[in-house]
Amino acid sequence: GAVVSQHPSWVICKSGTSVKIECRSLDFQATTMFWYRQFPKQSLMLMATSNEGSKATYEQGVEKDKFLINHASLTLSTLTVTSAHPEDSSFYICSAKNTGDADTQYFGPGTRLTVL
Amino acid sequence: GQNIDQPTEMTATEGAIVQINCTYQTSGFNGLFWYQQHAGEAPTFLSYNVLDGLEEKGRFSSFLSRSKGYSYLLLKELQMKDSASYLCAALDSNYQLIWGAGTKLIIKP
Repeated sequence: GAVVSQHPSWVICKSGTSVKIECRSLDFQATTMFWYRQFPKQSLMLMATSNEGSKATYEQGVEKDKFLINHASLTLSTLTVTSAHPEDSSFYICSAKNTGDADTQYFGPGTRLTVL
Repeated sequence: GQNIDQPTEMTATEGAIVQINCTYQTSGFNGLFWYQQHAGEAPTFLSYNVLDGLEEKGRFSSFLSRSKGYSYLLLKELQMKDSASYLCAALDSNYQLIWGAGTKLIIKP
């Protein structure tokens, strides 16, 4: 089946630094990727929709200058948390839609970010 | 390897009961989630089980058997709005989510 990977799986950083999270579709091409944030035992909160070759579409309330998204190829999207603060600590999950099967979303394993 | 299996699609009748099964094989285990996802929307959290047994929350219940690597989501008094995809996801020993492919539930009048 389709596989989505994320790197790193776990990151701890100091307040004020920037962290880049990668999301890759390993065996399919993904025109569209999504970035979510998950708080413990809560629903996934959609942050932004990332389209290959164009600017990401951010959800209301998500700061686009703080959460930079780059979808430079059909298999890779990156989320950079700039000037991270402790309140940014969370579980970030990406998902990808197979270009050939746009009805199905494949989720990544998540990246746990802890900002000290 | 790590793997989660759930049926691709199920059909049920409005007012009835449906059980969606999920089996998992993971490196370690730190709990299992069920999410509901309507088309074009983000997944909504339904339940989290880490201990064996049944947890009931209104019309939805979730069951876990760690020894069998098995969980199910039970939906009672089905309503048309319950038509959605239901995702099963397990947390492994590294607290990484292993996702099932989702079960598309179709409710008929």
